[in-house]
Amino acid sequence: GAVVSQHPSRVICKSGTSVKIECRSLDFQATTMFWYRQFPKQSLMLMATSNEGSKATYEQGVEKDKFLINHASLTLSTLTVTSAHPEDSSFYICSAKRVGTEAFFGQGTRLTVV
Amino acid sequence: AQSVAQPEDQVNVAEGNPLTVKCTYSVSGNPYLFWYVQYPNRGLQFLLKYITGDNLVKGSYGFEAEFNKSQTSFHLKKPSALVSDSALYFCAVTRMDSSYKLIFGSGTRLLVRP
Repeated sequence: GAVVSQHPSRVICKSGTSVKIECRSLDFQATTMFWYRQFPKQSLMLMATSNEGSKATYEQGVEKDKFLINHASLTLSTLTVTSAHPEDSSFYICSAKRVGTEAFFGQGTRLTVV
Repeated sequence: AQSVAQPEDQVNVAEGNPLTVKCTYSVSGNPYLFWYVQYPNRGLQFLLKYITGDNLVKGSYGFEAEFNKSQTSFHLKKPSALVSDSALYFCAVTRMDSSYKLIFGSGTRLLVRP
């Protein structure tokens, strides 16, 4: 199956700093990538959808200035959490798909803001 | 609006016994339905999907699911559970349109005891 890699898998940052999470499709070109957030023992909440070369579409209630998404190529999307605060601590998961296939998920990134 | 319900927070089953994890959905139009499994601190692994055709879908690791349009259900089943099947299972739905936004259920934790 297709492989989606997220980096880093785990990151700790200080409150007020920014952190970038990368999502790469390793063996296919992803026309669309998705970013999800998962709170402990809860389901995945879709944050935004990004298509290569265009601006991301954010879900209602997600601050686009806080969660910057860049989909610069068909194999890479990045999520930058700006001016992070402890309430941003969460498990962030990306997924990627190409036309005609289901979405494949990265292994997730656990962000802890201290 | 699309929604997915997984009525059981946890399912307990003895190894070797059959298991069922329930899922019902609500979507306008024809649905795409998916089951994913998540192990601790990991992303989601695809198990199976229903797009069209045969209502009984067979997937990875011996899992299968039955699409029931009249009951709007897509229950996950396995004839003989393994201890290694213990994990968190998510049902998801999306519409047959270009957005491919996956809406996830709340998840069901499956615990298979030896």
